[in-house]
Parts: sequence; C-alpha cells; structure tokens
Amino acid sequence: DIVMTQSPDSLAVSLGERATINCKSSQSVLYSSNNKNYLAWYQQKPGQPPKLLISWASTRESGVPDRFSGSESGTDFTLTISSLQAEDVAVYYCHQYYDTPQTFGQGTKVEIK
Amino acid sequence: QVHLQESGPGLVKPSQTLSLTCTVSGVSISTNTFYWSWIRQLPGKGLEWIGHIHNNAGTFYAPSLTSRVSTSMDTSKNQFSLNLNSVSAEDTAVYYCARARITGTARGLFDYWSQGTLVTVSS
Repeated sequence: DIVMTQSPDSLAVSLGERATINCKSSQSVLYSSNNKNYLAWYQQKPGQPPKLLISWASTRESGVPDRFSGSESGTDFTLTISSLQAEDVAVYYCHQYYDTPQTFGQGTKVEIK
Repeated sequence: QVHLQESGPGLVKPSQTLSLTCTVSGVSISTNTFYWSWIRQLPGKGLEWIGHIHNNAGTFYAPSLTSRVSTSMDTSKNQFSLNLNSVSAEDTAVYYCARARITGTARGLFDYWSQGTLVTVSS
C-alpha cells in the first residue's frame, strides 16, 4: 500500500496568516501517461464528512475559495491556505488515488492561534 | 442536488454482521460515470477505504477487508449496501457512503459523502 504521511499533525495559525500542510507519499503517484499526480486534499470540519477541496494535486473544486492552493514536488505535496479564516478550522487530509487500495494521510488539524 | 444517506444499526455484537444501506438521490447509481463507495473513519486512525461498487464493472475491495466484506446495489431503489461480517471492536468506526468519480480501475475521487453513521461493535 502507498503510505501517505502528513506533517505537522496540528498547527495553530493567526487569522489572516498562511497555513501550510505537507503530505509525502511513499512512492510516486504521478501517472506518466497523462503527467498527472493522483493526489487530492479534503477538509473535514467537526461533525461533518470530508469535503473534496483539491484534485490532481492542484486543481481546486468548484466553489472552493482561491485562498486554498495545492502544489507538488516529486512525492511531496503541499496544501496552502494563504490567509486563514475562522471557517477554515478543520482537519485536512491528503488522499492518493493512484493505486488501490486508495489511502489517506493521518490528517492535520488547523486551529486559530 | 446529489445526496447520500446511510442507514442501519448503530450497535453490532462481536462476530456478527454489520449491515448498512446508502440511499442516493439526485443521481442514478446506474450511471457508468461513478463508483459507489464505502469509507470508514476509525477512532484516532483516520480514513480507510472499504470498497467500491459499479453497475457494470462490479466490486472492488480493500485487500485487508476483502475476506469479510460484500456490497450490493438495488437500482430500483437507488440504494447500495455494505455487509461486513465477523466484526470485532476494531471495526468500531464512523461509516460513510460516498460517490467516487472514476479516475482508473478501482480508483476514484470522493466528491459527495453521506453524513456518516457511528457503528459500535460491543456485546
């Protein structure tokens, strides 16, 4: 199985400041045939199911604010919230859909400092 | 508007079978575009994919669960179901049903989720 390792486990950021979440895959999730990284990011607020934010490592879903962005470098992936808002308090998960079984990171909890 | 709602017992005895049904509205589960999936969230252990079912392509399961899991579809009711047998306390989790955009064989992006139901395995 592909292991997804997120860091940090939690972080506290002041309102309006940048939050950066990292995710490392144990092997490449890049499909050479289409040059796409099969990596997604989800946001889970308390008492709610996960919500798909970003697919293909950097493509925002419709309706997701542009303060959320995704990037990649090899097997390292980053979710950045450029200016943290109160409604962004949540746990964020990365997810690889390159291989089966599909696997998730352990989650990163984002709080307000 | 796509909506998924799971139903089933919240308490299951050890060694028995956990059974859940997901009722889908807003889209037909007969469509070839999506998998219909089960995912669980184990306490303190994050998210675990259980399996997919597709109207034509059949079923796909996580290897760690394949000996105990089965899924089925009832297209007339627009529902799909999960059975997990021989459960133990380690199967206590919040269970979600979800729609997955197909991105490859047995792989998909989970774009709509149910609210989730806590299933506790205890005598």
